[in-house]
Amino acid sequence: SQTIHQWPATLVQPVGSPLSLECTVEGTSNPNLYWYRQAAGRGLQLLFYSVGIGQISSEVPQNLSASRPQDRQFILSSKKLLLSDSGFYLCAWSGGEDQPQHFGDGTRLSIL
Amino acid sequence: GESVGLHLPTLSVQEGDNSIINCAYSNSASDYFIWYKQESGKGPQFIIDIRSNMDKRQGQRVTVLLNKTVKHLSLQIAATQPGDSAVYFCAENRDNFNKFYFGSGTKLNVKP
Repeated sequence: SQTIHQWPATLVQPVGSPLSLECTVEGTSNPNLYWYRQAAGRGLQLLFYSVGIGQISSEVPQNLSASRPQDRQFILSSKKLLLSDSGFYLCAWSGGEDQPQHFGDGTRLSIL
Repeated sequence: GESVGLHLPTLSVQEGDNSIINCAYSNSASDYFIWYKQESGKGPQFIIDIRSNMDKRQGQRVTVLLNKTVKHLSLQIAATQPGDSAVYFCAENRDNFNKFYFGSGTKLNVKP
């Protein structure tokens, strides 16, 4: 069966520090991969999605970037974090078009 | 009990009653919809999906209804249990890249 892992579960970072969040999927090949951000009490905002290695599409302009160095690895990064980058970051995968997305358990990011 | 999405973000029901959670979507071209359940501190969990060529789909204790005329989606939960307490999101797939757009969610409180 397929599983998705995100780490760390929680992270506290100072303003201006770099960021690297990692997501890996097991049990499937060539998944579509997604990064979302969720503000407290709000819905999910799609940040990036990828349909293959090295293929990244950005949904909104922001202080973050994404990379997919391997088929089942998706990384969310920032060179300098802002206070507004605080939030709950979720990674998801799907098997393709018209397939549901399956989420990891997220990373709670707090910027001080 | 019945919610109307954004105007009633919290729905309280008695254990054993049926729950109805509503969602309005925006794009008449959307052809695939999913309901997710999100418990506190966790990622969204897939509940049930429906494609635009269907009006109704049933799962275990859950039913999703799709009204394309008025662009409305609902999730019915039969015999609501305390474990159903969570935030419920609808998501619509608007394009061919399996990108989903999420509503802001409805919080379901089940009173024992």
